[in-house]
Amino acid sequence: DAKTTQPPSMDCAEGRAANLPCNHSTISGNEYVYWYRQIHSQGPQYIIHGLKNNETNEMASLIITEDRKSSTLILPHATLRDTAVYYCIVRPYSGAGSYQLTFGKGTKLSVIP
Amino acid sequence: GAGVSQTPSNKVTEKGKYVELRCDPISGHTALYWYRQSLGQGPEFLIYFQGTGAADDSGLPNDRFFAVRPEGSVSTLKIQRTERGDSAVYLCASSYETSGANVLTFGAGSRLTVL
Repeated sequence: DAKTTQPPSMDCAEGRAANLPCNHSTISGNEYVYWYRQIHSQGPQYIIHGLKNNETNEMASLIITEDRKSSTLILPHATLRDTAVYYCIVRPYSGAGSYQLTFGKGTKLSVIP
Repeated sequence: GAGVSQTPSNKVTEKGKYVELRCDPISGHTALYWYRQSLGQGPEFLIYFQGTGAADDSGLPNDRFFAVRPEGSVSTLKIQRTERGDSAVYLCASSYETSGANVLTFGAGSRLTVL
């Protein structure tokens, strides 16, 4: 059963911020929100993860709502190389299921010149 | 190595044949995972190793699929009597440990086509 809901596709103009939403209304207190992306013909690539607080790294920012029922991945200045399928994944910190990632269908982001 | 290496990158075989797919994880990573990705779908979990032992093989679709990791490093996914429905990209990932806070690093995958 999918624990996250994402739009199937989105477009973003090159150089603009890409904001990818994810709903995870049944998330538990010990579950992380992970984002991976998959560029065509490559394996999934880790982007970022968070528990409660907003997170930022060199690739992206992750904004998690206060109730933790949804999050947004932000690519601040999208480039053509960011065209990929983006997966939002909920994953427990420990116990059953903590060792694996359960992928949905993700959001196909197309960055347009 | 710097990343997870998978060989072959492409494999075309005939229905009924036996296939082996190899995964070299990142050095020092104790956990190793196999996933399968069909066209247009997200990756699906097959099996996970902690060291040499298969800690969870619940994702293997049937007994034609088997995986080993005899020395706790390289792993081989073995598929017997291949069927056309086995055609997919087989992805391998490794991680340093297995709590939910650790990051899985994936290889580029092995694309299997069964004719």
